[in-house]
Amino acid sequence: SQQGEEDPQALSIQEGENATMNCSYKTSINNLQWYRQNSGRGLVHLILIRSNEREKHSGRLRVTLDTSKKSSSLLITASRAADTASYFCASVTSGTYKYIFGTGTRLKVLA
Amino acid sequence: DTGVSQNPRHKITKRGQNVTFRCDPISEHNRLYWYRQTLGQGPEFLTYFQNEAQLEKSRLLSDRFSAERPKGSFSTLEIQRTEQGDSAMYLCASSLGGGTNEKLLFGSGTQLSVL
Repeated sequence: SQQGEEDPQALSIQEGENATMNCSYKTSINNLQWYRQNSGRGLVHLILIRSNEREKHSGRLRVTLDTSKKSSSLLITASRAADTASYFCASVTSGTYKYIFGTGTRLKVLA
Repeated sequence: DTGVSQNPRHKITKRGQNVTFRCDPISEHNRLYWYRQTLGQGPEFLTYFQNEAQLEKSRLLSDRFSAERPKGSFSTLEIQRTEQGDSAMYLCASSLGGGTNEKLLFGSGTQLSVL
């Protein structure tokens, strides 16, 4: 498969808790991005981390990247019911502009 | 600018028929991508264009699929002799490319159902 892997496949937490999801990819990358998708809709870009960066923050989001392990994690702090969605990582292969998406983590935040 | 636009939103067709989808990207975006997504899976890369040039096409894409981007503006994706396995959401995305502009902006997709 050309897709990366994400885990967990599904995650259910209470509002206010933190959610962590992980992503593994297969090739050398220029950057890695995280996207959110609400049911039946297109994907929305959340955050981008470059291959020479190890950690990045944006609001309640924190992304880490470990290129030696070809893995990334997304942390959503103080989750809200509105964060309920599927989350996908997308790796951009070095030397191309081809974005390879992971299999996704379905997050459910209970109010 | 209202974002990436895809038409139609839904398409129901009979097996063996041809279908064509249209994508209108952000006007200044030079890169355009097509993805296919089935329920519970991530988007699967199909092809991408830089301006009017189709630079890469997935090996998973059969000869029944063809995409064009005349004059580097809108794009069409055609599926000939549709099969039930073609049922999926077809997503279009565009990007300006370079630096902080490397993020993809997605349309809402075209949901194809092949009966």
